[in-house]
Order: sequence, then C-alpha cells, then structure tokens
Amino acid sequence: GQNIDQPTEMTATEGAIVQINCTYQTSGFNGLFWYQQHAGEAPTFLSYNVLDGLEEKGRFSSFLSRSKGYSYLLLKELQMKDSASYLCASLDSNYQLIWGAGTKLIIKP
Amino acid sequence: GAVVSQHPSWVICKSGTSVKIECRSLDFQATTMFWYRQFPKQSLMLMATSNEGSKATYEQGVEKDKFLINHASLTLSTLTVTSAHPEDSSFYICSAKDLAEYNEQFFGPGTRLTVL
Repeated sequence: GQNIDQPTEMTATEGAIVQINCTYQTSGFNGLFWYQQHAGEAPTFLSYNVLDGLEEKGRFSSFLSRSKGYSYLLLKELQMKDSASYLCASLDSNYQLIWGAGTKLIIKP
Repeated sequence: GAVVSQHPSWVICKSGTSVKIECRSLDFQATTMFWYRQFPKQSLMLMATSNEGSKATYEQGVEKDKFLINHASLTLSTLTVTSAHPEDSSFYICSAKDLAEYNEQFFGPGTRLTVL
C-alpha cells in the first residue's frame, strides 16, 4: 500500500533549527513535495525534490534519499510565523500526490 | 507565479441546499485540477481529479452524484455539493497543474463550507 509517515507534532524555540522527517512508500516515485499550511489556509509550496541530496532555499532546506524512502525539511533561524503544519507529499507513478497527515510545528519564544 | 483562485472563500447554507464552488487558474492553463477536502486537524483528502473536457475521476468513497464536478475550460473547474448536510461542512481546496510545470500543483485559497 501507499504510506507517508511524519511526526504529528513538534515544538521548537524561536531562532533555533528544526528538522521534520518524512518516510514514504508509494507505487512509483516522481518526486517529494513539502508544503506549509497555516491554520484555516490552503497549503503553499515550499520545495520539490526528485534527485538525492539537499536543496537549499533561504532558511528552508529539503533533503531526499530515494534509496531510503526518506526526506526531511530543515528550518533554520525559526521565526514565530513558521508555526504551521508542514505537509510531506509523494508523487506516485500516476503523478498523483499522496499526502502525509502533516506535522504541526509549534514555535515558542 | 501561478495563481489559483477560489470562490467563494466561505459559505454558510441550510441543509438540503446546493452549493457551487469555483476554481480558476488565473495566469496559466490547467488541463488537470484536483479537489480536496480537509476536516479540522486532518490532512488533505483527495476527492476527485478533474480533466478538462472529460468526466472527473472520483476517489473511492466519494459520491459522484453528490459532488458534481465540471471542468469546462482550461482555466475553470467547479464543484457543486448537492443536497448539502452538516457532515459536508469542511474546508474544500482545489489545486491545478500548470501545463508548463508538469509536476507541481498550485493551490487555491480554499472554501470554508458550513452547512446548518
């Protein structure tokens, strides 16, 4: 079956670094997406990885290991506005997104 | 950048009535649009995939006669919730694939539906 696993909730301190992990098992693989979703709003695109390695984009970086079925989203210099849910989604062989349940990130001062 | 709009942003209706939600790609053409539903504190659930000019493909457990989808043009898809009931209250989100950006989906802002 198809499965995306990510932690339900994480807490971090303003200014710190946090890593949100995601493991996936999907029928076929055409890339891994990370989205940010604030409460009551639609998801917004953060990153897309299809090759192994680290992609850095400002304070956010995303890593992919296809052989391990593993990705992580790294957030640096955390700000209060980073409090949100972070959704991991795998693009399967039919180019359909398979969504994780999301990780709620709580930032404390 | 690719922009997707939804209308209305929120709607309150009485049980038994029908509600239509529009999803538009504003600056790109979308052959495929997706409709999602999200209940509080839960992840996105794909309801159906809408292809321009053809019938939508519904996910298992989604009633096609209750959730009518029309994708009449490359920039517009509509979802009509027919005979809405309180259990249909949810956050409905559409997304669209840009022909030029094959793998990425761009999300609309969502529609909050409350059925009384």
